Amino acid sequence: AQKVTQAQTEISVVEKEDVTLDCVYETRDTTYYLFWYKQPPSGELVFLIRRNSFDEQNEISGRYSWNFQKSTSSFNFTITASQVVDSAVYFCALSGGIQGAQKLVFGQGTRLTINP
Amino acid sequence: GAVVSQHPSWVICKSGTSVKIECRSLDFQATTMFWYRQFPKQSLMLMATSNEGSKATYEQGVEKDKFLINHASLTLSTLTVTSAHPEDSSFYICSAVSGTSTYEQYFGPGTRLTVT
Repeated sequence: AQKVTQAQTEISVVEKEDVTLDCVYETRDTTYYLFWYKQPPSGELVFLIRRNSFDEQNEISGRYSWNFQKSTSSFNFTITASQVVDSAVYFCALSGGIQGAQKLVFGQGTRLTINP
Repeated sequence: GAVVSQHPSWVICKSGTSVKIECRSLDFQATTMFWYRQFPKQSLMLMATSNEGSKATYEQGVEKDKFLINHASLTLSTLTVTSAHPEDSSFYICSAVSGTSTYEQYFGPGTRLTVT
């Protein structure tokens, strides 16, 4: 069975601090995809990144960066120089397999609050 | 591109009535659509997988006779909550998968259902 664990339920930091959101996953699939989504108060999911299991390169996009380590089954997300607009709930998700459309298994989410 | 809409965005209905939620892929054909439910301050949980022209596949614990799903065309799937009760109040989110990119899910903005 697939499982995603986001151990941090809530994080609160002061603006401009760096913050890392942890994500640990479990799967028996050799091919799988990992995702991060942002959910602001409006509720709409905002796609941030997708990684496939064969690509362990870290990725940086502006103030966002992701660290994918298969050895520890982790896909952590770091926001550098956080801003108030980063406040939201962040979900890590996993889908597996290569045949057809695969459902997403979401972690519990981390509520991030950036204080001015 | 890859826009998914949901209608209505919010709905209030009385206990015992039925309500229909539409999920449309606006600029692509969706061979598969997923329906998720999110209770307040919780994660997204998959309810069912909907494939065009065939019966939906429901996750364990989801009542198929209560949550009727119809995927009659490649751009439209509907979720009907029958005989709604207050415990059905939730945020319902659909996602659509393009036939050409099966690992990419495009999420709708969600529908907030309140049953009084």
